[in-house]
Amino acid sequence: AQTVTQSQPEMSVQEAETVTLSCTYDTSESDYYLFWYKQPPSRQMILVIRQEAYKQQNATENRFSVNFQKAAKSFSLKISDSQLGDAAMYFCAYRGSYTGANSKLTFGKGITLSVRP
Amino acid sequence: EAQVTQNPRYLITVTGKKLTVTCSQNMNHEYMSWYRQDPGLGLRQIYYSMNVEVTDKGDVPEGYKVSRKEKRNFPLILESPSPNQTSLYFCASSLRGRDHVGVNSPLHFGNGTRLTVT
Repeated sequence: AQTVTQSQPEMSVQEAETVTLSCTYDTSESDYYLFWYKQPPSRQMILVIRQEAYKQQNATENRFSVNFQKAAKSFSLKISDSQLGDAAMYFCAYRGSYTGANSKLTFGKGITLSVRP
Repeated sequence: EAQVTQNPRYLITVTGKKLTVTCSQNMNHEYMSWYRQDPGLGLRQIYYSMNVEVTDKGDVPEGYKVSRKEKRNFPLILESPSPNQTSLYFCASSLRGRDHVGVNSPLHFGNGTRLTVT
């Protein structure tokens, strides 16, 4: 079974600085998808960024980028120029490439990010 | 507007009183799923559905039922709620398919239902 590990429960960053959130996963599949979701106090689950395992290039979305290390099974999220609105809980998630049971998203336990003004 | 709609947003009930949390999506998604979120545990899948009349258990299905009679709706039923089902519940949907495009589709989440069972 696939597992996703976010070992840091909390992190803090100064406004305008850069922060990296760590995530590791375990899988025996060679093709899969990885996601970062943001959950602000409003409870919404907002997709931040996604990465296809078959792509070597790291995904970027404006101030958000990932460092995908397939061999190490590592998928970290870097937030540049942190803003107060980035304060939220962030979840790393894994989704297999096949239909059936592997269609589910397996989540890490989340990390709470606070941004200091 | 493309969305997943859950109702109610907040629900307080007593042990043993049957309840239903509704979920509806307007994106013609085949795949729908229910998750519960608990502190320190992240989100865990309760049930999922690959299409109409096709449902299956997730990781924590005990005490829950679902049905998928129509493509757009996927209600979560608690026949006899207990206090350990107090949680934040999310419904989610996505495309599915046998190619990368379908399966790569990210999950679209509803706004969550905060359930308290006393």
